[in-house]
Order: sequence, then C-alpha cells, then structure tokens
Amino acid sequence: NAGVTQTPKFQVLKTGQSMTLQCAQDMNHEYMSWYRQDPGMGLRLIHYSVGAGITDQGEVPNGYNVSRSTTEDFPLRLLSAAPSQTSVYFCASRYGLSGANVLTFGAGSRLTVL
Amino acid sequence: AQKITQTQPGMFVQEKEAVTLDCTYDTSDPSYGLFWYKQPSSGEMIFLIYQGSYDQQNATEGRYSLNFQKARKSANLVISASQLGDSAMYFCAMREGIQGAQKLVFGQGTRLTINP
Repeated sequence: NAGVTQTPKFQVLKTGQSMTLQCAQDMNHEYMSWYRQDPGMGLRLIHYSVGAGITDQGEVPNGYNVSRSTTEDFPLRLLSAAPSQTSVYFCASRYGLSGANVLTFGAGSRLTVL
Repeated sequence: AQKITQTQPGMFVQEKEAVTLDCTYDTSDPSYGLFWYKQPSSGEMIFLIYQGSYDQQNATEGRYSLNFQKARKSANLVISASQLGDSAMYFCAMREGIQGAQKLVFGQGTRLTINP
C-alpha cells in the first residue's frame, strides 16, 4: 500500500501563478483533507471532503479550491499564489466518517511563493 | 479562544527519563476526541494515541500514555523511558462533537529534544 501520496514535494512559484497540489490515496478512504503548517501555528484545516462530489471549507479556505471527482484523488488548487501561501501542505485521509478514526497523512509538499 | 493550547514550545530531557507534554483544550461539547501526533525532522505526521471523552480509562500505546483529566480539560502525553528517536515535534489535536467530527484542530506543538 502506498498510503497517501502527495506531489510535488517541493515547488517554487511566483506571485500570481497558479498550481495544483496533487493528493491520492489507495486505501478507499471516504474522508480526505488538506492542512497547511506554518511555524508556530500547528496545522490548520483548509478544505475537506467526506466523499466523491462533496467538499467543505475548513478554517483557512481563502485562496484555495478543491474538488473530489473520485474517491482516490483530492487536488488542491491555488488560483493566484500569494507569498502568504508559502507553507508546508499536508493531505490526510481516513476510513469512515467517525471523528474517532485516525488520519493518515501524506509526506507533505513544501511551497514557496516569491 | 484557543481550542488547543500547548504551553511548552520546547523541552529538553535526558535519555531514559520520562517526559510529560502538556495539552489543554477548550470545548463545551460533551463528545470530543483528543489525538497526539509526532512529527520527526523528516516531516511526516505519525499518529501516537487517541482518547475519547467518554473513555473510562486513560489511553495507552506502548511507551505512550495519555493523562486525561476531564475536569481540568487537560490531555497530557506521557512518554516513558525516553529514547533519542523520540526527539521530534509533538502535536495535540481535538475533534469536537458530531458537527466538528470532520475538523481536527491542532495545537502549536512542542519540540522535544532527548539528550544522550
């Protein structure tokens, strides 16, 4: 099992450019989510999905779009990158919709916006 | 108000000693869950332990245990017999109730350094 796979691992963008962070899981998990990690602030939820075709906002959704066309994939889109979006991004998934179930995280994607 | 507070930005402990990492939380929902994750320098997030608000006993997983004090709203992680490999960032996280079951809120983390 590959678990949760994120690509790319590193990316440098210029302000105003767009890009997509890819996330794929092969565990047939219903729930998928995106977090960003900034120094001194822990992880903050950007968007999440409880199944194909269903997405919802987390704590810091502005500047990001998501879609969930399949169970396996949950891409995160930055339409017009800003320096404030410089961060490490984590995709995470879990089996079922119970909040007691454990999240499995990807390895992270480090994004720098100049 | 902060939902999850980790008051220790950094801790230094001698190898083989026990260490307690503090976590306090704020919720008015009677149903909630608390998680601890470890993040080594390589960056991945590793699940350590979970405690549900209705669980009668403190959670344990090997060398990890959770000192759950509901009235004080604290969920401290205890690592027994620390090892050099325990050096990492540690995050406490909470999910609240049914509505918040899909949203995990993290604390700011504690950087633990184990000295030989």
